[in-house]
Amino acid sequence: LAKTTQPISMDSYEGQEVNITCSHNNIATNDYITWYQQFPSQGPRFIIQGYKTKVTNEVASLFIPADRKSSTLSLPRVSLSDTAVYYCLAYNYGQNFVFGPGTRLSVLP
Amino acid sequence: DTEVTQTPKHLVMGMTNKKSLKCEQHMGHRAMYWYKQKAKKPPELMFVYSYEKLSINESVPSRFSPECPNSSLLNLHLHALQPEDSALYLCASSQEGRGRRTSEQYFGPGTRLTVT
Repeated sequence: LAKTTQPISMDSYEGQEVNITCSHNNIATNDYITWYQQFPSQGPRFIIQGYKTKVTNEVASLFIPADRKSSTLSLPRVSLSDTAVYYCLAYNYGQNFVFGPGTRLSVLP
Repeated sequence: DTEVTQTPKHLVMGMTNKKSLKCEQHMGHRAMYWYKQKAKKPPELMFVYSYEKLSINESVPSRFSPECPNSSLLNLHLHALQPEDSALYLCASSQEGRGRRTSEQYFGPGTRLTVT
């Protein structure tokens, strides 16, 4: 399983774009990058998944460079309700999830 | 319906009690999971069920006993727990087909367990 590394915490202000970078230097060819969001006392929620280049949905964008050794989750115009822990996982079909420590994002007014 | 429900929301039990946690989903998912999450830590996988059969047991102590009565239900039976087992227990489900499990897992809200 590819190990992922993320910043432990980040602060931002409402209305700003937030970029959370995840390192996965030993990512395997078949691994996908998947991001989850978790609010306190709730289960994690799937945000986005990608393999390479850029993926965008209604919630976020995911940028994965050609070497795939890192990825960046981009949250446009964050609000207070985006305060949560964000987990990056390198996932291969058939394997099981191994959550890293995640990034604790605090959005300030 | 994209919801995973878990009952109870909170549970306090003594070390000699026997209790069960319940999880239910109606999305037709054939993979179901139990995770344990301690405060300010990431979820840790405990068990995986695939097509109602236990496929993964991540070296969990025998005082935790999972059960999958049918494709929609998942139980976790608890017996003789220790105070250090106090945690948030999360259930999740995902699609599965041809041995491939999708990366989109749907999590329930969890059961907050306190062992006294």
